[in-house]
Amino acid sequence: DARVTQTPRHKVTEMGQEVTMRCQPILGHNTVFWYRQTMMQGLELLAYFRNRAPLDDSGMPKDRFSAEMPDATLATLKIQPSEPRDSAVYFCASGLPTGHGQRETQYFGPGTRLLVL
Amino acid sequence: AQTVTQSQPEMSVQEAETVTLSCTYDTSESDYYLFWYKQPPSRQMILVIRQEAYKQQNATENRFSVNFQKAAKSFSLKISDSQLGDAAMYFCAFTNAGKSTFGDGTTLTVKP
Repeated sequence: DARVTQTPRHKVTEMGQEVTMRCQPILGHNTVFWYRQTMMQGLELLAYFRNRAPLDDSGMPKDRFSAEMPDATLATLKIQPSEPRDSAVYFCASGLPTGHGQRETQYFGPGTRLLVL
Repeated sequence: AQTVTQSQPEMSVQEAETVTLSCTYDTSESDYYLFWYKQPPSRQMILVIRQEAYKQQNATENRFSVNFQKAAKSFSLKISDSQLGDAAMYFCAFTNAGKSTFGDGTTLTVKP
């Protein structure tokens, strides 16, 4: 049963610390998305990659957030330095464009719950 | 920019009954996908059903079906024979050119 995996599942850290979240997309999927979910803002797209190249990171605060895909099996989202307002659930999703128009269905990982004190 | 509106923040249904969740969207695109995702208390986002905009036939997945009205930009989800395990937050999503926009969600309560 192919799934997107994310680590860590939970993270508590202090303000100012670096946070790294990891995602392993479903094998063969070439598109990876990072989302953030908060009560106030709902589900927001932070960035997405296709074939490891960043296509859009306009939703991501550039001063402290960075997203990379070192290889096809790993995507990372880093926050440095972290702030209390970054507390949220961060989801990774992967997909493979198929069918008419080459759109993809996104399959979500379990999320990383981040709390910044 | 695309917008997705779920006008029902909360809905409830009696077990074994049918419930319909509403979703409307706004776009100038003609080719896109629409999705319903379920998010139980575990926070896992689970794909429920998908509809390609170019298809006129409404998608169905077991007890879940959609009523897709392209001209009206409406995409409602019908859950038949509701089960306790259906209790969750449901998100409607619009996808085009690789980017997705999600609605604010509808919390569904299933009463035994």
